[in-house]
Amino acid sequence: DTEVTQTPKHLVMGMTNKKSLKCEQHMGHRAMYWYKQKAKKPPELMFVYSYEKLSINESVPSRFSPECPNSSLLNLHLHALQPEDSALYLCASSRSPTRGNTEAFFGQGTRLTVV
Amino acid sequence: AQSVTQLGSHVSVSEGALVLLRCNYSSSVPPYLFWYVQYPNQGLQLLLKYTSAATLVKGINGFEAEFKKSETSFHLTKPSAHMSDAAEYFCVIYNQGGKLIFGQGTELSVKP
Repeated sequence: DTEVTQTPKHLVMGMTNKKSLKCEQHMGHRAMYWYKQKAKKPPELMFVYSYEKLSINESVPSRFSPECPNSSLLNLHLHALQPEDSALYLCASSRSPTRGNTEAFFGQGTRLTVV
Repeated sequence: AQSVTQLGSHVSVSEGALVLLRCNYSSSVPPYLFWYVQYPNQGLQLLLKYTSAATLVKGINGFEAEFKKSETSFHLTKPSAHMSDAAEYFCVIYNQGGKLIFGQGTELSVKP
């Protein structure tokens, strides 16, 4: 199994809503990532979890709250988002966060629209 | 600090023609380099990776890339383009801080 599964695939939420994005992998990877991607742009790193601990936060606004309940799951909790937060949110995992010769596997993404 | 630069935000080729997507890197240490492909409204898929084992790297779907230290390049090629190759391609370098650094991407169009 070399898949990273993200749910939901599409999400429309109002600016006062609370929602969560979910990501799951069963490859035994110990690093998991959240990226945000706007149209026609490369993915931008948001968070990195290394061995279930938050290791990198790229100065992301607090309305985005990551959580890593166990080594296979990664959540992104959303609250009071703005329309400019509409984007494709990608989850990825890799065997190790500190070894550059291990590639990252990406999920299909969640297309988020904030209205 | 490591970085990559993709030359050309858009490349158009005819079906059956050579595909050449250019990437130059900057790194003070031996780099780890990757090419990813992204089809519309999908996630990223690894095409190939360079990890210093061999300078010519073969990937999936007939793509390959050659690492040239003297030119600090890692260009992606495919001898004969297929319509299904139309997508966004990202050259990526691994940063010693544990991050992947993406190039700006090159959109490949394939004309029939």
